[in-house]
Amino acid sequence: SQELEQSPQSLIVQEGKNLTINCTSSKTLYGLYWYKQKYGEGLIFLMMLQKGGEEKSHEKITAKLDEKKQQSSLHITASQPSHAGIYLCGALRLGTYKYIFGTGTRLKVLA
Amino acid sequence: ETGVTQSPTHLIKTRGQQVTLRCSSQSGHNTVSWYQQALGQGPQFIFQYYREEENGRGNFPPRFSGLQFPNYSSELNVNALELDDSALYLCASSSLTSGEETQYFGPGTRLLVL
Repeated sequence: SQELEQSPQSLIVQEGKNLTINCTSSKTLYGLYWYKQKYGEGLIFLMMLQKGGEEKSHEKITAKLDEKKQQSSLHITASQPSHAGIYLCGALRLGTYKYIFGTGTRLKVLA
Repeated sequence: ETGVTQSPTHLIKTRGQQVTLRCSSQSGHNTVSWYQQALGQGPQFIFQYYREEENGRGNFPPRFSGLQFPNYSSELNVNALELDDSALYLCASSSLTSGEETQYFGPGTRLLVL
């Protein structure tokens, strides 16, 4: 089974709508990362959350990490076509230097 | 523009051959990580180097090896290539500022093994 579960797998929204992507782990994580990837390209680092209850924002994207450090959500406000792509969560396993990734959420924003 | 470059951009090899992929990261970034991303899949962590020493490794066999050099460049070497090694290989460097980590990914090298 996947160590990091992402939902939904894909999302199609109308431009201007808000949306949320979730990332869940069965184990406590050291840190949680969010990335965006355009098809066939490298990853773009969005932000890292490390403390339980932490929330960060970058432009119209906000990410939160729950107190137990097992679940994170990525929220996009007033989506635009430029937000389209694959969103991936990643994490560092507690006590290791091993990174794991979620399965990704494919986002399409209709103009 | 992340300041991380990778070469070559594309590569075709045959099964059994060896390949070296290169990554050049920003000055001052002491940590570099390598990932393998098969088509339609999420990235898989291969290993991480910190100050020229491997300090973390994913579930990859020993035929995947790496080097990190003092000039912030690094290499990923894969011996005895297999068809399943066909993938996009990504490197990422990271910086730590006031306890906050930021990662910078290169555009990747797409490897096809025939």
